[in-house]
Amino acid sequence: KQEVTQIPAALSVPEGENLVLNCSFTDSAIYNLQWFRQDPGKGLTSLLLIQSSQREQTSGRLNASLDKSSGRSTLYIAASQPGDSATYLCAVRPEDSNYQLIWGAGTKLIIKP
Amino acid sequence: NAGVMQNPRHLVRRRGQEARLRCSPMKGHSHVYWYRQLPEEGLKFMVYLQKENIIDESGMPKERFSAEFPKEGPSILRIQQVVRGDSAAYFCASSQLAGVAYNEQFFGPGTRLTVL
Repeated sequence: KQEVTQIPAALSVPEGENLVLNCSFTDSAIYNLQWFRQDPGKGLTSLLLIQSSQREQTSGRLNASLDKSSGRSTLYIAASQPGDSATYLCAVRPEDSNYQLIWGAGTKLIIKP
Repeated sequence: NAGVMQNPRHLVRRRGQEARLRCSPMKGHSHVYWYRQLPEEGLKFMVYLQKENIIDESGMPKERFSAEFPKEGPSILRIQQVVRGDSAAYFCASSQLAGVAYNEQFFGPGTRLTVL
């Protein structure tokens, strides 16, 4: 059974720092992995989607990497800003499903001005 | 092109009442997925529907919960006789494609259900 874990559960850093969020999954048989952002009381915003054949994806100050064989992904945020404060969720698409997403519990990020 | 729409955004019910959550998929999308997020937890898959068909309801509790996606109108997630444990955020997602490896789901803002 696929399980997704995100560590740490919460993180607080000063503005301007570079930071890394971690996501691990127990079964390497995945189609893709996706990182989302969730703001308090709001919906989900897709940040980056990495296909299983890819090693990384970049969007602006965000870079997501995927090491499928070791069951790990990282989300790197460069030059963090207070507006980056949110909960970051990762989700994997198992190979045995064309639609189900298996989610981590998220990392709550606070960027202090 | 409007995104996935859900209403209401917030819903308060007393124990024993019924809750109806609505989801309108993105234009051109015929596949709808419902997820539930309990406090401090990740999302959990509940049900996958296509127009007029339930494809997979393996994540939905067998009792009190039902879902539909009629030919016309939004998808409805219905919870009968709500209990406090039903308090959660319910997210709807839609996709244009299905049955393929790359099948991105687009999420709505969620409905936050509070059961008193």
